[in-house]
Amino acid sequence: GAGVSQSPRYKVAKRGQDVALRCDPISGHVSLFWYQQALGQGPEFLTYFQNEAQLDKSGLPSDRFFAERPEGSVSTLKIQRTQQEDSAVYLCASSLGPGTSGTDTQYFGPGTRLTVL
Amino acid sequence: TQLLEQSPQFLSIQEGENLTVYCNSSSVFSSLQWYRQEPGEGPVLLVTVVTGGEVKKLKRLTFQFGDARKDSSLHITAAQPGDTGLYLCAGSTNDYKLSFGAGTTVTVRA
Repeated sequence: GAGVSQSPRYKVAKRGQDVALRCDPISGHVSLFWYQQALGQGPEFLTYFQNEAQLDKSGLPSDRFFAERPEGSVSTLKIQRTQQEDSAVYLCASSLGPGTSGTDTQYFGPGTRLTVL
Repeated sequence: TQLLEQSPQFLSIQEGENLTVYCNSSSVFSSLQWYRQEPGEGPVLLVTVVTGGEVKKLKRLTFQFGDARKDSSLHITAAQPGDTGLYLCAGSTNDYKLSFGAGTTVTVRA
């Protein structure tokens, strides 16, 4: 497909379980972003990759959250020992450029809705 | 904590009416973007404004960036049911990081 895809679309986890969320960005896009969107809120920045380099992880809520993009394309967001407050929609976005212009269009995937019971 | 405050939180209007959504902050942004998000989907970019005082028109949508680059508004003329959705503003103060508002849920009744 031409857009950003994410899988799974829905994930239910028991508290304490580990989860892995996958993002397939648009082919050739340099920049990749992860956001967390709680119910009734706007997306909140989690982390940013430029190719395989994670340049900013300031938004990750705790050390239970880990993201990687080893080959500069597909990215995985892993959450260890999930807690109920981790329940949210996790959005991935990619953009063509390195982000230095400040106006690069970010293309969002449909998100993964994570529910922690 | 979200830097951008959007108002109103909810807006329900009849088809054919006009509406305005506001986005305010105490911070100065280098650029500001407006997105629309539908249930089960990611946000889709509508417009980017970069110059204080800038006005952009996209068919029935008019976007304005405040002179001081701290606020913005989105005006929809003659709203249609297809305009229903969550409208999000997002500001950038550096290269890539976007700070989103909480959104305005717009419902246009036929």
